[in-house]
Amino acid sequence: EAQVTQNPRYLITVTGKKLTVTCSQNMNHEYMSWYRQDPGLGLRQIYYSMNVEVTDKGDVPEGYKVSRKEKRNFPLILESPSPNQTSLYFCASSLYGLVNEQFFGPGTRLTVL
Amino acid sequence: GQQVMQIPQYQHVQEGEDFTTYCNSSTTLSNIQWYKQRPGGHPVFLIQLVKSGEVKKQKRLTFQFGEAKKNSSLHITATQTTDVGTYFCAGNSNYQLIWGAGTKLIIKP
Repeated sequence: EAQVTQNPRYLITVTGKKLTVTCSQNMNHEYMSWYRQDPGLGLRQIYYSMNVEVTDKGDVPEGYKVSRKEKRNFPLILESPSPNQTSLYFCASSLYGLVNEQFFGPGTRLTVL
Repeated sequence: GQQVMQIPQYQHVQEGEDFTTYCNSSTTLSNIQWYKQRPGGHPVFLIQLVKSGEVKKQKRLTFQFGEAKKNSSLHITATQTTDVGTYFCAGNSNYQLIWGAGTKLIIKP
C-alpha cells in the first residue's frame, strides 16, 4: 500500500532532551517536507527536500534539523526541544514537488514539558 | 510575506444545507490545491486547479479558481455528516506552498 509512515505517533518529552521523528515513504517520491499544525494557524512548513542530499528551510525552521540521506526517509530532529515546539507534526511527500498532490503521514503529536 | 487568507474559520450548518469556504491570496498563484482533514486525521488531497477561471466538480463539491488566479472557493451542496472536517486551500507561489488556516465544517445536531 502506498503510504507515508511516521513514528512515533505520540510523544511526551522534557525540555532539552533530543528527539527524532522518523518519516518514510514507499512511493519513490522526490519531494518530502515537514509541517507543524497549531490551532488557528493551519499548516506551516518547517523544512523540505527536493531530492536526496538537498534540503531547504521552510517558514518555521528554527529549532529543527532534517537530513535526507536516502530517498525514502526524511527524519525530523529536535536537538533541544522547548515547550513552544509542542504541536502536531506531519510529514508529507509528493512525486516532484508543489505541482503534485501532497501525501501526508498520520501525524505525530508532540508534547514538550 | 505571502499570505493566503481563508474564511470563515468555522461554519455551522444543518445537514442538507450548503457550505462555502473562500481563499484569497496576496499574490498570483501558479495553482491551488484543496485538502480535507477529518477530525483526528491528516490532510487528504481533494483537487488541484491550474487555469484561470477553472471550475471543477466532484459530486457535491464545486471548486473554482478566480480569473486573476488570486482567489478560490470550495462549495459543498447539501452537506452530509461525512463532510465534517476542516478544509484547507494551499496556493503555489514562487515555489512555495502557502496554506490557508482552514475552515472547519460543523454539522449541527
